[in-house]
Amino acid sequence: TQLLEQSPQFLSIQEGENLTVYCNSSSVFSSLQWYRQEPGEGPVLLVTVVTGGEVKKLKRLTFQFGDARKDSSLHITAAQPGDTGLYLCAGVRDSNYQLIWGAGTKLIIKP
Amino acid sequence: GAGVSQTPSNKVTEKGKYVELRCDPISGHTALYWYRQSLGQGPEFLIYFQGTGAADDSGLPNDRFFAVRPEGSVSTLKIQRTERGDSAVYLCASSSGTGGDIYGYTFGSGTRLTVV
Repeated sequence: TQLLEQSPQFLSIQEGENLTVYCNSSSVFSSLQWYRQEPGEGPVLLVTVVTGGEVKKLKRLTFQFGDARKDSSLHITAAQPGDTGLYLCAGVRDSNYQLIWGAGTKLIIKP
Repeated sequence: GAGVSQTPSNKVTEKGKYVELRCDPISGHTALYWYRQSLGQGPEFLIYFQGTGAADDSGLPNDRFFAVRPEGSVSTLKIQRTERGDSAVYLCASSSGTGGDIYGYTFGSGTRLTVV
């Protein structure tokens, strides 16, 4: 059983559409990080959220941490082909340095 | 260096051979992590170094896997008697934290290991 459940696993949409990716758990996390990974590269950190209810914006990307710090979402507005990639969420539990990873959402934006 | 550097970027080896994978972290980063990633999956934790010592090696799958970081900078992941199931992308990450770093890690581009 995956401790962090990401959904959907795969999403293919047209350029200009909006989308939301979810990362859910029954566990509480000290922080939750979102990474984007392109083929042949390592994950690149997009954002870290640490406070329950926190919302962070990165251009067209909006990240939200649930009030109970058990879940998070990534919303992309007016998706662009350059947004294509594997989006991974990862959480840190209390003082444990180990990141707990979701399985990822493979996103394809068609021109 | 400016980023985390991993070499080689690709390694093809025969079953039963020994391989070494190298990671050069960001200068000054005391924490170094090795992960393994299979296609379509999130990274899987292998080992964490704080300075020269392995603070946690609980993710190493078996005793064929070993990692060192003798001077607290560069790390080498060593795999003996490689098996086809070892084929994966091996990722290295570093951070300036001292464990429990909640602010994120910088990853290298990985070494794609293929055991034939």
